[in-house]
Amino acid sequence: SQTIHQWPATLVQPVGSPLSLECTVEGTSNPNLYWYRQAAGRGLQLLFYSVGIGQISSEVPQNLSASRPQDRQFILSSKKLLLSDSGFYLCAWRLVPNTEAFFGQGTRLTVV
Amino acid sequence: AQSVTQPDIHITVSEGASLELRCNYSYGATPYLFWYVQSPGQGLQLLLKYFSGDTLVQGIKGFEAEFKRSQSSFNLRKPSVHWSDAAEYFCAVEPNRDDKIIFGKGTRLHILP
Repeated sequence: SQTIHQWPATLVQPVGSPLSLECTVEGTSNPNLYWYRQAAGRGLQLLFYSVGIGQISSEVPQNLSASRPQDRQFILSSKKLLLSDSGFYLCAWRLVPNTEAFFGQGTRLTVV
Repeated sequence: AQSVTQPDIHITVSEGASLELRCNYSYGATPYLFWYVQSPGQGLQLLLKYFSGDTLVQGIKGFEAEFKRSQSSFNLRKPSVHWSDAAEYFCAVEPNRDDKIIFGKGTRLHILP
């Protein structure tokens, strides 16, 4: 069966520090991969999605970047965190077409 | 602007009462439609989905949703809520069937004993 792993679960980082959040999927191949951010009162905001290795689509101009170095690995990064980067980050995968997305357990990022 | 709207930020119902959570979208073509539920601090779990066919969709945990093309709506319903249904509910849309799934801002459901 397929599983998705996100880590870490919780992270507290100072302003200006770098960020790397990792997401891996097991039990499937060539999934679409997604990064969402959830901030209070704003729902889930799609940040990036990828339909294949090295293919990244950015949805929102921001301080973050994403990479997909391997088929089932999706990384969210920042060179210098801002206070506004705080939030709950969720990774998701799906096999298209006609399927739903499956979510990881999320990473709670607090920038201080 | 294209969007997914969940007009109710919070809803409170008594245990055993019926529930309807509203969702409207403003995309031209008929999109793929989803409802997810999120417990505090957790990821999202799919309740149900609509791709085509019968416009009344049955999901898990006794939930159902009806797609109404004329109203651009996909409202979630449950005839009798349980205390364990307290959570946040998200409507989601894949507007152009192009791999992007867009979420509404969510509705937090509170259950009175």
